[in-house]
Amino acid sequence: QQQVKQSPQSLIVQKGGISIINCAYENTAFDYFPWYQQFPGKGPALLIAIRPDVSEKKEGRFTISFNKSAKQFSLHIMDSQPGDSATYFCAASNSYSGTYKYIFGTGTRLKVLA
Amino acid sequence: ETGVTQTPRHLVMGMTNKKSLKCEQHLGHNAMYWYKQSAKKPLELMFVYSLEERVENNSVPSRFSPECPNSSHLFLHLHTLQPEDSALYLCASSQEPAGDPTDTQYFGPGTRLTVL
Repeated sequence: QQQVKQSPQSLIVQKGGISIINCAYENTAFDYFPWYQQFPGKGPALLIAIRPDVSEKKEGRFTISFNKSAKQFSLHIMDSQPGDSATYFCAASNSYSGTYKYIFGTGTRLKVLA
Repeated sequence: ETGVTQTPRHLVMGMTNKKSLKCEQHLGHNAMYWYKQSAKKPLELMFVYSLEERVENNSVPSRFSPECPNSSHLFLHLHTLQPEDSALYLCASSQEPAGDPTDTQYFGPGTRLTVL
């Protein structure tokens, strides 16, 4: 119940295309869902995050879509660019639990072809 | 230096060696974290320090020993490691001492550890 399942494991997209990464969770107590972006040789960096009181959040070319009833959320990268090539991690947390824990997905390696 | 720095960036050690990983945050944050990142596995939280006090020890074997001498520095002391401990070890920090998960964690670049 504590897992976050992320798919696909890897993704290849043409420049200008849409990249879609999906995550699913079981624990209905999760109420904070960040996405992290990690470039080779770097640590993860927060990209965008959402709470379940909204169904969508957009920041530039990055959009999180959230489906509370299905317990799924996804990251959409519009107009994907070669500079977006990185590994993306979804995560989930319970902000009322008093803990610091994120439950992370296993990551998606995105390659955007020029 | 800005952000979160980690040294060394790469470390190769034998199973009988003792070594230490160092993390320094230049952000004035109050909480620091150690994570283990293995290929095709989720990031694993190992330890959390809040205001220099360890507040989380996530069932980590005793061959890993953390130390937080002040709010800017975090160490991970390693001894008698196993080959399966080979991984990228990431340090992170966040502003709030209470560890609100909505408080952004800032990660360092990691130390790539290889245990022979």
